[in-house]
Amino acid sequence: EAGVAQSPRYKIIEKRQSVAFWCNPISGHATLYWYQQILGQGPKLLIQFQNNGVVDDSQLPKDRFSAERLKGVDSTLKIQPAKLEDSAVYLCASSLGDRDVETQYFGPGTRLLVL
Amino acid sequence: ELKVEQNPLFLSMQEGKNYTIYCNYSTTSDRLYWYRQDPGKSLESLFVLLSNGAVKQEGRLMASLDTKARLSTLHITAAVHDLSATYFCAPGNFGNEKLTFGTGTRLTIIP
Repeated sequence: EAGVAQSPRYKIIEKRQSVAFWCNPISGHATLYWYQQILGQGPKLLIQFQNNGVVDDSQLPKDRFSAERLKGVDSTLKIQPAKLEDSAVYLCASSLGDRDVETQYFGPGTRLLVL
Repeated sequence: ELKVEQNPLFLSMQEGKNYTIYCNYSTTSDRLYWYRQDPGKSLESLFVLLSNGAVKQEGRLMASLDTKARLSTLHITAAVHDLSATYFCAPGNFGNEKLTFGTGTRLTIIP
């Protein structure tokens, strides 16, 4: 079974530029999550989708971050404009969404450096 | 707001020794997840503890959950080098998939 796929793996941009990350979850997983992991910290949830609807985006900085999950499969996370403090690893995870045992499976992450 | 604290934050231990990592959380949760992260890698699921008193073991790692004390422990027995990683705990609740991750414990096993 293929795991969660993310691209690109690395991205370097200058502040005020825009950037987009892509995630393809495990086939059949209804729930998709985007996390931000700053160096030395645990992952912080940015947004959670159930199929193509948003369940929780309370910690998403909506003035600069946006995310979508068209057709309930792939998802993109965009930052526009980027700030220095956005330098982090952006992790995508997915889970079945059957609400019994909700183990989340993580992708390899996209490492973003904002200069 | 749920707060999750792990201690210690950093742990350096010799091969062959035993040690315990503690995970305390501030609000009621009925389950607890443990994940492992190797340097530069993503998170790998280790354990899901689904009820008070639950204990799970895999190799040299054993995890337990006390929901009344809001405490989970991850015990390492006879540590070996390949257990070196950062370990995260994350409490959760049935019907709510949202996880709040702890600060992480960076474990280094010294030969």
